[in-house]
Amino acid sequence: EDKVVQSPLSLVVHEGDTVTLNCSYEVTNFRSLLWYKQEKKAPTFLFMLTSSGIEKKSGRLSSILDKKELFSILNITATQTGDSAIYLCAVVNGGSQGNLIFGKGTKLSVKP
Amino acid sequence: NAGVTQTPKFRILKIGQSMTLQCAQDMNHNYMYWYRQDPGMGLKLIYYSVGAGITDKGEVPNGYNVSRSTTEDFPLRLELAAPSQTSVYFCASSYSTVVGLETQYFGPGTRLLVL
Repeated sequence: EDKVVQSPLSLVVHEGDTVTLNCSYEVTNFRSLLWYKQEKKAPTFLFMLTSSGIEKKSGRLSSILDKKELFSILNITATQTGDSAIYLCAVVNGGSQGNLIFGKGTKLSVKP
Repeated sequence: NAGVTQTPKFRILKIGQSMTLQCAQDMNHNYMYWYRQDPGMGLKLIYYSVGAGITDKGEVPNGYNVSRSTTEDFPLRLELAAPSQTSVYFCASSYSTVVGLETQYFGPGTRLLVL
């Protein structure tokens, strides 16, 4: 069965800390891996990763994929209270429909 | 562009009632999806569509129906609401399923409570 597992499920840090969120996957036909940030409403897109070892970076956020070990990490440096959210990892499985298989998410709380 | 829009934002239904959750996108995306998200769980795919007139079941389709008469609209129908359908429903769309172009963009969600 295809699955995506995120860890930890929840995390509490203080402003200025650096955090690493993990995502491992087992899918039959991997195409790409996506990270989303979900605050109160809809998930918003952060990164798409398709190739191993190439870091994607956007401000204080960065992510990298390891296709050999079947995992990805999302790093957030110098965290701010505005980073508090649920971070979702999803894998696009093979097939024409582009289905996303989601992990349960990591709930990040950043305290002042 | 408004992106992906959903209505209503929130609804309370009685067991056995029916309703339609509306979803529209103005990005000319061919692919559209309906997900449900239960507390502490990831999103699960209910139905998807690869273009007008074409729909197919996802992981959890029971109790739901969809139609896709136009590229823009993808309504989700609940015929006989059950408490197990209490959830937050997200509609999403993507331009393509070509690797690198398959990012899905989400609507704001509809929170449904069935009592």
